Amino acid sequence: KAGVTQTPRYLIKTRGQQVTLSCSPISGHRSVSWYQQTPGQGLQFLFEYFSETQRNKGNFPGRFSGRQFSNSRSEMNVSTLELGDSALYLCASSPRDRDGETQYFGPGTRLLVL
Amino acid sequence: DQQVKQNSPSLSVQEGRISILNCDYTNSMFDYFLWYKKYPAEGPTFLISISSIKDKNEDGRFTVFLNKSAKHLSLHIVPSQPGDSAVYFCAASGTGANSKLTFGKGITLSVRP
Repeated sequence: KAGVTQTPRYLIKTRGQQVTLSCSPISGHRSVSWYQQTPGQGLQFLFEYFSETQRNKGNFPGRFSGRQFSNSRSEMNVSTLELGDSALYLCASSPRDRDGETQYFGPGTRLLVL
Repeated sequence: DQQVKQNSPSLSVQEGRISILNCDYTNSMFDYFLWYKKYPAEGPTFLISISSIKDKNEDGRFTVFLNKSAKHLSLHIVPSQPGDSAVYFCAASGTGANSKLTFGKGITLSVRP
């Protein structure tokens, strides 16, 4: 099976702009989670989508949003970008038919906000 | 409040020796624990996991030990190889509404040839 894919891989934006990141999960996986990785904070959970519904949400401001489509592909949007949003954004998928299933990560999108 | 802690930021071991990576957690609702390995510019790669009903899980050179009473788990790599040099993340999750993964900050393992 193909792995989790994320596009774009790299992105440069300026403060105040908005950005949309895309994630295609492993075929058959219905859960998509998003994480932000920064040097100081490690990997922090943003949100999880399952069957087009947000099932879990982390402690991020409302500028961070997401959605999931019927084919399980997911997008994440960040509006009014701030310098501190510069990070590696990782997407992970899992079947999530039961608790404790392993999540498989994509390569990430590296966002730089200038 | 950091619920998953990897207190040592780095570890250096000689090739062929054992690498022991430690992880502590505070949330007693966690019942599923995972280790991920990450190379620069790549996403984390799943290594091994353990559920709270077990105290040991082994997969090739990798063994994870769980001590629930101490809220502590460790990853043993034997024998260590230079290709094991990477950042290792410990992660934990609960069930239902607590099923999101909570990660530690990672530990950088360097295996010297």
